[in-house]
Parts: sequence; structure tokens; C-alpha cells
Amino acid sequence: DAMVIQNPRYQVTQFGKPVTLSCSQTLNHNVMYWYQQKSSQAPKLLFHYYDKDFNNEADTPDNFQSRRPNTSFCFLDIRSPGLGDAAMYLCATSRDPLSPQFFGPGTRLTVL
Amino acid sequence: DAKTTQPNSMESNEEEPVHLPCNHSTISGTDYIHWYRQLPSQGPEYVIHGLTSNVNNRMASLAIAEDRKSSTLILHRATLRDAAVYYCILRDVGYGGATNKLIFGTGTLLAVQP
Repeated sequence: DAMVIQNPRYQVTQFGKPVTLSCSQTLNHNVMYWYQQKSSQAPKLLFHYYDKDFNNEADTPDNFQSRRPNTSFCFLDIRSPGLGDAAMYLCATSRDPLSPQFFGPGTRLTVL
Repeated sequence: DAKTTQPNSMESNEEEPVHLPCNHSTISGTDYIHWYRQLPSQGPEYVIHGLTSNVNNRMASLAIAEDRKSSTLILHRATLRDAAVYYCILRDVGYGGATNKLIFGTGTLLAVQP
């Protein structure tokens, strides 16, 4: 089945130690998104790629970066994780900017 | 982006219909009404969307008020698997607004009792 895959499902890192979360999709969608969802809160968009065009949300901290080496993969890099970055990170895709989004199961990040 | 207002929580019994309301009094003419739901420990899932006319799909129905200032997501027969947070979201797809940005509000937590 076509799907959005996130690895790992659970990630533990240390304060200040860089971490990378990965997302892959078999849907061949043009748009890929990263959301952050903190405990008991709604998902919040960090940034998205439309093909190779990167679109950063105005309030996304500089500590968060993203890479999309090809259509299928997208990475979220957190350069120096703080305790406040502990959250569920959700990857989503859509065929085009106007289509519904398909979400992966998320990666839960713990920062010690 | 226009905002939506939903009840914090609702309860339903299994096998009964559920009507989840959403108010969006400041909706613009180019705003689509989207519904997503998030089951426990999972990513959000697209449910349905519409602009002016009522919409039906295999998951649910969407009833949109004539003035578009409110809408209702209808689950025809609730099951235990429908217990989730339901988000009503407005997306502007008008000229210059097609960023496909989903701005999630607090949503409605639906509990389904057996």
C-alpha cells in the first residue's frame, strides 16, 4: 500500500546533540511537510517542500532545518535540541498544494 | 487565516449517529472547510472537505450551512474506532493563498461508549 513512513518511531537524544528524523513516501507526492505536535496540543507546521522549493514558516526556530534529496525522502534536522523540542514530529505529503494531506505515524522525540 | 470554533469534547454511543459542529463565522469566499481526525498515538487523517455544497464519502458526510458560517461533520454510525480528536480547518485556496497550509485548532475530542 502507498504510504508515508517515518523512522524511527521513537527517538531519544541528549540536550544539544544533533538529531535527524526521516520521512519517506511511496505516494509520489510533490509536497512534503513537517509538523511539530507537543503534548496535548494541535500539530503546528514547521516547513514544507513543494518539489525542491523550501518554504519555512515565519516562527520556525533556526534550530530546525530540513532536506529533501529526492521526491521520496525528506529529513528534519534539529541542530541543538533543547528540552522544549521534545514532541511528536509528523511528516505529511500531498499531491499538490490544494490536495488533502496524508500523514505518517510520527516520531516521538525525547530530549534528556 | 479564518478561525474555527469547536466544542472541546463530545460523547456518543456506539452504532449511533454523531454530529460534530464547527463555527467559522469569518469564513471567506475562497475558504474550503476541511476535517481531519487524529486517533490516539497516530498522525492526523483526512476525513472530508467541501466549499458550499454538502459532501459525502465513505467515512462521513459534511453538511455546510447556507451562509457557510457553520458546518457539521456527520458520522452515520459511530464505532469505537471513531474515538479521536476531530479538527475542523479552513484552507484559503484563493488567488495568492494556495499554500495548502493546515492550521489546526484545538479540535473536538470524541468519546464513543460501547
